[in-house]
Amino acid sequence: DAGVTQSPTHLIKTRGQQVTLRCSPISGHKSVSWYQQVLGQGPQFIFQYYEKEERGRGNFPDRFSARQFPNYSSELNVNALLLGDSALYLCASSSLLGISNYGYTFGSGTRLTVV
Amino acid sequence: AQKITQTQPGMFVQEKEAVTLDCTYDTSDPSYGLFWYKQPSSGEMIFLIYQGSYDQQNATEGRYSLNFQKARKSANLVISASQLGDSAMYFCAGRGGGNKLTFGTGTQLKVEL
Repeated sequence: DAGVTQSPTHLIKTRGQQVTLRCSPISGHKSVSWYQQVLGQGPQFIFQYYEKEERGRGNFPDRFSARQFPNYSSELNVNALLLGDSALYLCASSSLLGISNYGYTFGSGTRLTVV
Repeated sequence: AQKITQTQPGMFVQEKEAVTLDCTYDTSDPSYGLFWYKQPSSGEMIFLIYQGSYDQQNATEGRYSLNFQKARKSANLVISASQLGDSAMYFCAGRGGGNKLTFGTGTQLKVEL
């Protein structure tokens, strides 16, 4: 079975631009969460979607938005990019709304560089 | 709110030796869980081990074990018989209220010959 897949793996954007990151969860998983990992830090929670509804939001500005599609894949959008948005964006999937004792299954992430 | 603290930015260990990675937590939630993840240079977070706040025994998974001390609010990861492939970043994370994980800042482990 395929794991959590994220695309693209790397991209470079200019300040002020907009970016869309994509995530396909493990087949059968209905929950997708997004995390931002700035270099040298641990991942920070951005959003969780479950059954296409937003179920949690971290402390991020409104420039960050997300959605989940009927097939449970998800997109993370970031508008008006800032240099500080440069990070590894991780997607995590789960079959549950909550976190099981096995945690989430993470993808390999999208490395976003803003110049 | 939950806070996870990892005070070791980097650790070195010789192959086949054991190593302990420190993690302390601070939470007001009586029902919490603690996870350890491994992050190789590829970026993927790999689940290693879990300890629930009500678990009576320390968790073990193969060469990984958790030294869980509630009174000290610590959940240290012990890796026995280190291998070169264990070289990676290691993150402690907490599950508190809601459905998010709160991560520490990580420890970079390097296994040497």
